Amino acid sequence: EPEVTQTPSHQVTQMGQEVILRCVPISNHLYFYWYRQILGQKVEFLVSFYNNEISEKSEIFDDQFSVERPDGSNFTLKIRSTKLEDSAMYFCASTMDRVPNSPLHFGNGTRLTVT
Amino acid sequence: GENVEQHPSTLSVQEGDSAVIKCTYSDSASNYFPWYKQELGKRPQLIIDIRSNVGEKKDQRIAVTLNKTAKHFSLHITETQPEDSAVYFCAASMRGGYQKVTFGTGTKLQVIP
Repeated sequence: EPEVTQTPSHQVTQMGQEVILRCVPISNHLYFYWYRQILGQKVEFLVSFYNNEISEKSEIFDDQFSVERPDGSNFTLKIRSTKLEDSAMYFCASTMDRVPNSPLHFGNGTRLTVT
Repeated sequence: GENVEQHPSTLSVQEGDSAVIKCTYSDSASNYFPWYKQELGKRPQLIIDIRSNVGEKKDQRIAVTLNKTAKHFSLHITETQPEDSAVYFCAASMRGGYQKVTFGTGTKLQVIP
């Protein structure tokens, strides 16, 4: 069964640095998302992306965050100037259609540690 | 926006017993309610979901019930096994939304052999 893949699995960065988290959605999917999970807490919605633009974003997704689909296969999340509180697991997901027509399935995540 | 409350936060059961996790949601526009299981250090995985036009859904040892009037839904696991030990998240998604799935705070289930 096809899966969403994310790289790297673990990223360590210093406060103030820029990071780019990468995701390869399932090939025929049209909707893409980023969620994050601070250690021991719930999964939180960041942003959804459809037709090459952001379709919805949360309060967490401020000006420090951006998403891009630079080519036909990758979907990236950029954090411009990382803060300690950005340390979390970041999950990418993709779906063929809107929920609930296509349930949300997550990639394995990137653990971001900001020091 | 939607708010999903979940309880209990931790639950210990003996192997073979049943486990019940309850959630409430705030927005009557929500119409889709998935449940995810997350093992330590891994991604949340969808285990069952229910739509608002259905009151109950069952898949082997797992069942979910939905009460739209009261705005609550529950996960029932019967004949629990040690491999059921994990954190379980309920979630809700609003009609017409692109994909903003709002998660509950999670229940850590421990099945004691």
